[in-house]
Formats: sequence, C-alpha cells, structure tokens
Amino acid sequence: GENVEQHPSTLSVQEGDSAVIKCTYSDSASNYFPWYKQELGKGPQLIIDIRSNVGEKKDQRIAVTLNKTAKHFSLHITETQPEDSAVYFCAASMSSSNTGKLIFGQGTTLQVKP
Amino acid sequence: DAGITQSPRYKITETGRQVTLMCHQTWSHSYMFWYRQDLGHGLRLIYYSAAADITDKGEVPDGYVVSRSKTENFPLTLESATRSQTSVYFCASAIGGPGETQYFGPGTRLLVL
Repeated sequence: GENVEQHPSTLSVQEGDSAVIKCTYSDSASNYFPWYKQELGKGPQLIIDIRSNVGEKKDQRIAVTLNKTAKHFSLHITETQPEDSAVYFCAASMSSSNTGKLIFGQGTTLQVKP
Repeated sequence: DAGITQSPRYKITETGRQVTLMCHQTWSHSYMFWYRQDLGHGLRLIYYSAAADITDKGEVPDGYVVSRSKTENFPLTLESATRSQTSVYFCASAIGGPGETQYFGPGTRLLVL
C-alpha cells in the first residue's frame, strides 16, 4: 500500500554542522511533499514543502530536494543551531486520492549539540 | 487569532468508556483531519472531512466516530475506549485538498486505563 519510509530515526550533530534526513515514497503519483517540525509537547508545523514539478527548494538554512525517478526526497539543514533540535516528519500527498490525505514517515529525532 | 485548538489537552479514562475529543478552527478551512501519533508509527490518519457533513475514513478508523455539522468543529469520539487507543491525537485543518498546507493543533494526550 501507500508508504513513506524515513531515515534515520535519530540524528545527532554538532552545532554548525549540516543535517540530512531522507525519505522514500511508494506511490509514483504523489506530487506534494511537505516537511514538518515538531517540538516537544506541540503539534507539527510546516517548515518547507516541494511539489513534483520542482527538483529543489531552499528557504534560508533549510532545503529540500526531490528525485522523482528514485521516488526519494531529502531535507537538508545547514549551520544547525540548538533550536533546530526537534522531531522532523516527511510526508507525501497521494494525488490519486484527491482528498489531501498525507502519508507520514516515522519521524527523525534531531539533536543539535552546542 | 486562535487558529486551531483542541480540548481537552490531557485525558485519562477507563476501558469501555466513551470519550470525545474536540477540535475547533477559526479559519473557515474546508478540510479537517484527525491523526494519532504513536512511537514508531509517526502520524496516522484516522478520519478526514472535506466539508461540513462530508467525512471519510483514513488509515486507522476502527473504534472511532466523527461528525462535522459545522465547518469549524470536528469532534472525534471513541465509542468504547480500549487500551490500544492510548495515544496523542492531533487535529489539523487545510484550506483545500491535495497540495494544501495542513495546520495542526496542539494535540490531546489520551490515556486509557
């Protein structure tokens, strides 16, 4: 069935280093790929998204890349800061459903050490 | 601007009891969603609604009931709570369907004893 796999499940980096989180999806018809950040005790918040007609998108220290052929997309955070520590979720929208349903990855806990 | 709110934020109940989790949004978004979050599973869709009086099942609907008589409210009811329904529940809303940003509420942490 529809599935999104996310890796790694945990990631620890030194402040100032880069962090990369990777996701793969199963439905080749997916066309919308958001990334959410969830801080402790809060709901997920959208940080960046990408659509299937674009290969890369950047917003300050955050970038997302999409490889439709490989059905793979990644989140890149540069110059990490302690406040980047959180759980990050990727998701894919299955356009065939026409409902806006998102299928989420399992999440990555990012720890940025000062 | 309140955005999207959930109540209660924390709830303890017993097996077999009925529980209703409330979700309210002030944006007049058409779409609303209920997810549950469990370790190792990420967020899984329970039910969603494209508009008032239109609801449909998600990945894990068993044991849950929803209604949407007004655009701004989307309550989730556990008709007879089970321990496996212990989870954190998130409500979300979106202005439209595919490709639209979903905005999440703060969550309800439910413990079923």
